[in-house]
Amino acid sequence: DAKTTQPNSMESNEEEPVHLPCNHSTISGTDYIHWYRQLPSQGPEYVIHGLTSNVNNRMASLAIAEDRKSSTLILHRATLRDAAVYYCILREDAAGNKLTFGGGTRVLVKP
Amino acid sequence: EAGVTQSPTHLIKTRGQQATLRCSPISGHTSVYWYQQALGLGLQFLLWYDEGEERNRGNFPPRFSGRQFPNYSSELNVNALELEDSALYLCASSLVGWGQAFFGQGTRLTVV
Repeated sequence: DAKTTQPNSMESNEEEPVHLPCNHSTISGTDYIHWYRQLPSQGPEYVIHGLTSNVNNRMASLAIAEDRKSSTLILHRATLRDAAVYYCILREDAAGNKLTFGGGTRVLVKP
Repeated sequence: EAGVTQSPTHLIKTRGQQATLRCSPISGHTSVYWYQQALGLGLQFLLWYDEGEERNRGNFPPRFSGRQFPNYSSELNVNALELEDSALYLCASSLVGWGQAFFGQGTRLTVV
């Protein structure tokens, strides 16, 4: 399974941007980069995904390095509701659409 | 539109028994995925069903099994329960190809 590496935790102040890094040096050409987050006592929630180009949606932005060996999830203005565990995941077509979750980054947002 | 629903919310079983967990996907979604999340740990992939067939399986023993029905709902069965099976079991659904998956709230299984 292709692996991702994320910091265990990050802290941010409310209303400030949060940059969550993810390394995936063994990514293959057809692997999509997905981000999910899990709020306390809830199932994971889709955030964003991309293949090669940077992506934006109402929740966040995804910046993908040119060599695709790393990516960064950007929360533009953190709110208390954004406190969660954020998972960077590779969707591996060769593995039959399996999403392999790593340890994730626990984001703490301080008021 | 209803999201992914799982039942029951909580389930308590004794060691050696069987547990059956149910999942109803979002209408129109043909793929259903099962994950196990033990307390304080990450999500471990269990099973993927699409169009009624098992498409992929995680590294779990055969006593973890399941099926997908013609209406795309799914069951996860865990036989010969062990204490270590205590976990949150999450179901997700998507259109085939997993562009975006939607997770349910999970079933908390406790084995005593």
